[in-house]
Amino acid sequence: EIQLQESGPGLVKPSQSLSLTCSVTGYTITSGYDWSWIRKFPGNKMEWMGYISYSGSTNYNPSLKSRISITRDTSKNQFFLQLNSVTTEDTATYYCARGTRFDYWGQGVMVTVSS
Amino acid sequence: DIQMTQSPPSLSASLGDKVTITCQASQNINKYIAWYQQKPGKAPRQLIRYTSTLVSGTPSRFSGSGSGRDYSFSISNVESEDIASYYCLQYDNLPLTFGSGTKLEIK
Repeated sequence: EIQLQESGPGLVKPSQSLSLTCSVTGYTITSGYDWSWIRKFPGNKMEWMGYISYSGSTNYNPSLKSRISITRDTSKNQFFLQLNSVTTEDTATYYCARGTRFDYWGQGVMVTVSS
Repeated sequence: DIQMTQSPPSLSASLGDKVTITCQASQNINKYIAWYQQKPGKAPRQLIRYTSTLVSGTPSRFSGSGSGRDYSFSISNVESEDIASYYCLQYDNLPLTFGSGTKLEIK
C-alpha cells in the first residue's frame, strides 16, 4: 500500500524558511511519477506548489517564483519542500501527493506563520 | 494559468437527491480534469480522473462528464457519507489549478 506522510514544524516565523519532509512507503520515488506539494489555505483555496520528477527534475508554480525548492533523498525515499521568506499568507495545510493527478495524498501538516 | 470556475460554492441536498457541481475552465483542457472529495481533517481523495473515469473504490453513484471548457460532477442518491467538500483539478497544463470547492451539506 502506497502511503505518504508529511512532517515538519507547525510554526514558522515571518521571513524565515519553511521546511517539510514527505516520506513515501510502498513505492520507490525513482520508479516513476512526479511527486508534488500542494497547500490548502484557511479560506479553502488549494494551490499546487510544484513537483520533483522520478528523474529529479523539478517544476514550480510561477506564483512562488524563486522562493520554492523541492529536493529529494532517494536513499530514504523522501522528498522535501523548502519555502523561503515566508509571510503570514503562507499559513496553510501542506500536503504531499503522487503525480500530477494526485492519486495518493499524505494526511497534511498545518503550518502557521506567526511571530 | 488556466482558471477553474467551480459552482456552486455550497449545496444543500436531501438524502437520495441528485446533485451536480460544475467546473468551467478558462480554456480547453482536453478532458484532463479530476474530481476530489475532502472530509474535515482528512486528505483529499481522488474520485474521478480524465473527466469520467471512476478511480478504484469510487461508488457508482458518482459520475463525471464534459468536454472542452465545461465539466460536471454528479452524485446520484446522495448518502450521509457524502457530506464533504468537492474540488475539481485541471491537469492539462502547468501550473495545475484547482476549482474553489463546493461544500455539500445534508438538509
